[in-house]
Amino acid sequence: ILNVEQSPQSLHVQEGDSTNFTCSFPSSNFYALHWYRWETAKSPEALFVMTLNGDEKKKGRISATLNTKEGYSYLYIKGSQPEDSATYLCAFTGGGADGLTFGKGTHLIIQP
Amino acid sequence: DTEVTQTPKHLVMGMTNKKSLKCEQHMGHRAMYWYKQKAKKPPELMFVYSYEKLSINESVPSRFSPECPNSSLLNLHLHALQPEDSALYLCASSLRGTPDEQYFGPGTRLTVT
Repeated sequence: ILNVEQSPQSLHVQEGDSTNFTCSFPSSNFYALHWYRWETAKSPEALFVMTLNGDEKKKGRISATLNTKEGYSYLYIKGSQPEDSATYLCAFTGGGADGLTFGKGTHLIIQP
Repeated sequence: DTEVTQTPKHLVMGMTNKKSLKCEQHMGHRAMYWYKQKAKKPPELMFVYSYEKLSINESVPSRFSPECPNSSLLNLHLHALQPEDSALYLCASSLRGTPDEQYFGPGTRLTVT
């Protein structure tokens, strides 16, 4: 059974502040790490797919880093806005297998 | 069109009923997935179809039966379900499979009474 852990479980952040959260995953047999944003009553939306150790990806105010040797990824949000409120899920694929193993997510609430 | 559609949005069924969930995409994706998500838990992979062939079945009970009639369509046939099968069922697709990003539908909320 693959263990994908996310912390914290939930986070309240003031509008305009920056924040980050963590995903840890098995460091052996790594293939890819995905980040998704899931807003209530909507479909999960892909943010990043990272495959190489040291990868850094950026989309607007959101960025992510990847360390496959130690088995963790960070997601950063700069200058949080109310529309960033969502659950952020990371998902791991190992050994070339298809399908994703998800973490439980970080529930982010941005307070105006 | 970057959308994955799922029907119905909500489904209530009895334990003796037979019903089907439908998922459709027109992005030319060749990998399609079923996930099950129970409250306060992450989505769990059920089935993977790759080029219309079942490639992964994550030890799912036989009361769930997937079908991929063509590259755009994925069904999940349900029969003799149990109340504990009540969950959100998510469909996703990706271009060729891992590590391509997956596009998710909004899900079908299933309640088994």
